[in-house]
Amino acid sequence: GENVEQHPSTLSVQEGDSAVIKCTYSDSASNYFPWYKQELGKRPQLIIDIRSNVGEKKDQRIAVTLNKTAKHFSLHITETQPEDSAVYFCAAREDDKIIFGKGTRLHILP
Amino acid sequence: ETGVTQTPRHLVMGMTNKKSLKCEQHLGHNAMYWYKQSAKKPLELMFVYNFKEQTENNSVPSRFSPECPNSSHLFLHLHTLQPEDSALYLCASSPTSTGANTGELFFGEGSRLTVL
Repeated sequence: GENVEQHPSTLSVQEGDSAVIKCTYSDSASNYFPWYKQELGKRPQLIIDIRSNVGEKKDQRIAVTLNKTAKHFSLHITETQPEDSAVYFCAAREDDKIIFGKGTRLHILP
Repeated sequence: ETGVTQTPRHLVMGMTNKKSLKCEQHLGHNAMYWYKQSAKKPLELMFVYNFKEQTENNSVPSRFSPECPNSSHLFLHLHTLQPEDSALYLCASSPTSTGANTGELFFGEGSRLTVL
C-alpha cells in the first residue's frame, strides 16, 4: 500500500522568510496530492492540492511542486506570517484512500 | 462549519464499556472516512466507505466496528478498548474522486476519546 514520508517533523522560520516541507510517496498509482493545515484544536483543512498531470501550482503565498519520476512533492510558503504557525500534512490519494504523512509543525518566529 | 458533524465531542470510557461515535455529513458526498489522530501516528486511516460499502479496512482491530447505514451517516462502535486507543477520532467525507473532481476531504471537529 501507499506510504507517505514527510520532512522535517518540526520547522522554525523567521517571520517573512520562506518555509519548505517535503514529502515522498511510494505508490506510482497515486494521482492526487493535497496539503492540509491543522491549527491547534481545530480540524485539518485543505490549503492547496495538485494532480499528477501538473508539475506546479501556486495560490498567493503558497505553492506546491510535484516530481512524478522521483515520487516527491513539496510545499512552499513565502513571506511567512504568524498565522502560518500550524501543523501541515501532505497526503497522497489512490482511488478511495488518502494516506497522510506524519506532519510538520511549523513555528513562525517573531 | 464544514458540513460534517461529529458527536460526542468528548468521551471517557472504561475498557469494558460499549460506546459509539457518530458522524453526519450534509454535503451530499458519497464517501466517508474514519481517521485516528494521536501523537504517535497523526491522521491514520482506519476505514473508508463509498456509496455505503466498505472499501478499505486498514488492519483495524475488531474492537472497532464501523457502520454506514447511508451515505450521510457513519458510526464507529467501540467495545473493550485499550488505553492506547485514546486519541482524537476524525470523520471526513468527500465526493467520489472521478474526472475533474479531486475528492477533497472535509473533516469534522473530531471526537476526543479517553479510555481508562
